[in-house]
Amino acid sequence: NAGVTQTPKFQVLKTGQSMTLQCAQDMNHNSMYWYRQDPGMGLRLIYYSASEGTTDKGEVPNGYNVSRLNKREFSLRLESAAPSQTSVYFCASSWEGRGYTFGSGTRLTVV
Amino acid sequence: DAKTTQPPSMDCAEGRAANLPCNHSTISGNEYVYWYRQIHSQGPQYIIHGLKNNETNEMASLIITEDRKSSTLILPHATLRDTAVYYCIVRVAFGNEKLTFGTGTRLTIIP
Repeated sequence: NAGVTQTPKFQVLKTGQSMTLQCAQDMNHNSMYWYRQDPGMGLRLIYYSASEGTTDKGEVPNGYNVSRLNKREFSLRLESAAPSQTSVYFCASSWEGRGYTFGSGTRLTVV
Repeated sequence: DAKTTQPPSMDCAEGRAANLPCNHSTISGNEYVYWYRQIHSQGPQYIIHGLKNNETNEMASLIITEDRKSSTLILPHATLRDTAVYYCIVRVAFGNEKLTFGTGTRLTIIP
């Protein structure tokens, strides 16, 4: 039982490049989330998906798009990466208000 | 969701009980108190949550005041592995599942 799996763990992009961060959970959770965490700060919600087929913006959605591919997978796409998007990205899932389960994070650097 | 106030940092001697306070004076009747922690740069880890009664699990105890305006997370016998940032979050358990993280309390366990 892996919980929440994020790929890749590390990535370096050049400004203007695009990439997709992958997230998958094997706990049959309905809700999934993408957060970013900048150095010395708390986590900020980018997008979330309350159920398969639905997505909603969080606190900092600009520059990102998401896809809830199925119940297991929730991907985050950067269409044109900017240095301001250098951060650690965490995916999480939850079910009916229970505790969230987080992945181990993707460390993204945009140069 | 109600806002919370936590001290930015605390120290605790190894083997002692660590008591982490949280103020949430504007909490609503249907909002729960959740605690998470983040060890180094890993994904946050769920610890415990409660509504109005005190709660205990294998990791910690949660004491909520009778007026629900504040709470205390207790780690009964702190170890060096408990060094982390601890986040207190209040939110409705069902229907609005987004977690909003503040900056938390950085707990350092002193050998």
